[in-house]
This record gives sequence, C-alpha cells and structure tokens, in this order.
Amino acid sequence: GENVEQHPSTLSVQEGDSAVIKCTYSDSASNYFPWYKQELGKRPQLIIDIRSNVGEKKDQRIAVTLNKTAKHFSLHITETQPEDSAVYFCAASTPSGGTSYGKLTFGQGTILTVHP
Amino acid sequence: GAGVSQSPSNKVTEKGKDVELRCDPISGHTALYWYRQSLGQGLEFLIYFQGNSAPDKSGLPSDRFSAERTGGSVSTLTIQRTQQEDSAVYLCASSTRQSTYEQYFGPGTRLTVT
Repeated sequence: GENVEQHPSTLSVQEGDSAVIKCTYSDSASNYFPWYKQELGKRPQLIIDIRSNVGEKKDQRIAVTLNKTAKHFSLHITETQPEDSAVYFCAASTPSGGTSYGKLTFGQGTILTVHP
Repeated sequence: GAGVSQSPSNKVTEKGKDVELRCDPISGHTALYWYRQSLGQGLEFLIYFQGNSAPDKSGLPSDRFSAERTGGSVSTLTIQRTQQEDSAVYLCASSTRQSTYEQYFGPGTRLTVT
C-alpha cells in the first residue's frame, strides 16, 4: 500500500520567514495530494491541494509543488504569521474501487511554530 | 450549510465494553471515510464507503472493528470488546460526487478506554 513520509517533524521559524515542509510517497498511482492544517483540539482543515496533472499551485501565501518523477511534494508558506502555528499534514490519495479517487494516506505531521 | 457532524464528542468506556460512534456526513455527499488519530500521531485510514459499492475495509485494525452506512447517509463505527490501545480520536470525513477528491472532516469523537 501507499506510504507517505513527512519532514521535518517540528519546524520553528520567526514571523515573516518562510516555512517549507516536504513529503514523499511510494505509490505512483496516487493522484491527489492535499495538505491539512490542524489546530490543537480541532478538526483537520484543507488548506491547499494539488492533482497529479499539475506541477505547482499557489493560493496567497501558500504554495504546493509536486514532482511526480521523484514522488515528492512540498508545502511552502511565505511571510509566516503566529496564527500559522499548527500541525500540518500531507496526504496522498490512491484510486480504489474503480474510481479515480479514494482513501487518504497521511504523513506523520509537522508541528509548525511561528515566533512573533 | 452544515458540515460533517459526529457524536458523541467524547466517550469514556471501560475495557471490554462495546462502543458505537456516529457520523452524519454533509448532505448529498456520496463518499464517507473513517480515520483514527492517536495522541500526537497522524491520521490512520480505517474504512471507506462510496455509494452502493462494497466498502473498502482494508484499514480496520482487527475484527473487533466494524462500520455500517445506512441509506447512503449516516454511518456508525462499532468497536467491540474495547482495549486501551483503541483510545484515540475517531474522525469521519465525506466528499461529493462532483468534487470527489476533497474530504471534509468532522470534529471527531475522542474515545478513552479505561
């Protein structure tokens, strides 16, 4: 089955700096890669995603890049703010049951701390 | 509109008891997923329902775990003879037919087995 590795496990930055979180996946059939932000005691919230036919996607201060050949994808947050502090999870979706989408396999998470 | 809801929000049970966790997906969402998140860990896939198709049960950790989805809407995850290692937050997610990639999560049920 799919295996997703996420690094680093913790990341500490100063406000205004950039933060980069990297993930690798194992199953070349995976075709959808979302990123979730989870604040303490809250549900995961989708912040950005990318499909396998796209190499890069940007939404304001957040961007995601995908390298299908190397099977890795990254989250980039620019001009970080204290409210960006949370746990970030990457995931990969593998088609199943004859559909083009399916369950998510998650990375272990990155605890991001943005210091004012 | 209303998001995914789950009940109860917290459940404390004694080892060996059975528990039922409920998920109400977003109205009209055809796909429903259950995940488990242990303390300080990532999310672990348990089971996936899509319409009338046979569910993908490949993530269920043992035969003590089962799930049903009645009428294509509400789902119940049942854990029989609970063990302490079952303690975790159980999260439900749903997605639409039109936008089937994005999964929207519920608030979770925190299960504590004493």
